[in-house]
Amino acid sequence: GAGVSQSPSNKVTEKGKDVELRCDPISGHTALYWYRQSLGQGLEFLIYFQGNSAPDKSGLPSDRFSAERTGGSVSTLTIQRTQQEDSAVYLCASSLGLAGGGTQYFGPGTRLLVL
Amino acid sequence: DQQVKQNSPSLSVQEGRISILNCDYTNSMFDYFLWYKKYPAEGPTFLISISSIKDKNEDGRFTVFLNKSAKHLSLHIVPSQPGDSAVYFCAASFMFSGGYNKLIFGAGTRLAVHP
Repeated sequence: GAGVSQSPSNKVTEKGKDVELRCDPISGHTALYWYRQSLGQGLEFLIYFQGNSAPDKSGLPSDRFSAERTGGSVSTLTIQRTQQEDSAVYLCASSLGLAGGGTQYFGPGTRLLVL
Repeated sequence: DQQVKQNSPSLSVQEGRISILNCDYTNSMFDYFLWYKKYPAEGPTFLISISSIKDKNEDGRFTVFLNKSAKHLSLHIVPSQPGDSAVYFCAASFMFSGGYNKLIFGAGTRLAVHP
């Protein structure tokens, strides 16, 4: 389809392992966002990309979290040395621009469980 | 400090009646407000938005009202249908100096529409 896709849909890992989450935005969308939703919580902003650069990384909770975007398209969120509190749904969104408040279109998310 | 609050974690409405979901915010710099709907195991889906210069926006069964003096917005769904049962997130947007929009989400309200 033409929507935002994310992989894997589910990921179970052991504490201390590294994980990589992938996001494919809608074609042509220059802005890309990562959020996470912990159980019973709202969506928490992590990082914003415009093209391949990340002018706002203010939501990354620790230096174990990093993200990159290549070719102005695919983005990867990496969590190193995972902890149990990293368990959450990680959501990616993309937007075309600033019209209409920069409406963001979300992918289905990756459900991460750290044992 | 939560800038966007949805004080009702859940709402139950009879099919055919009106559903009213409420949202309060604290930052007067927000320039756009959006509502997203989320089904289980799916990403949030954009529903409707309103600019801060307006007080009402209508799209079919969905109407959003904005009261800037009270820093309050509401989503009205009339008539409510069982398929509307989902979690509804209120989000507020403001433009950063880098020229992008950042969304701040509320914690969500779970709507259940019963026959």
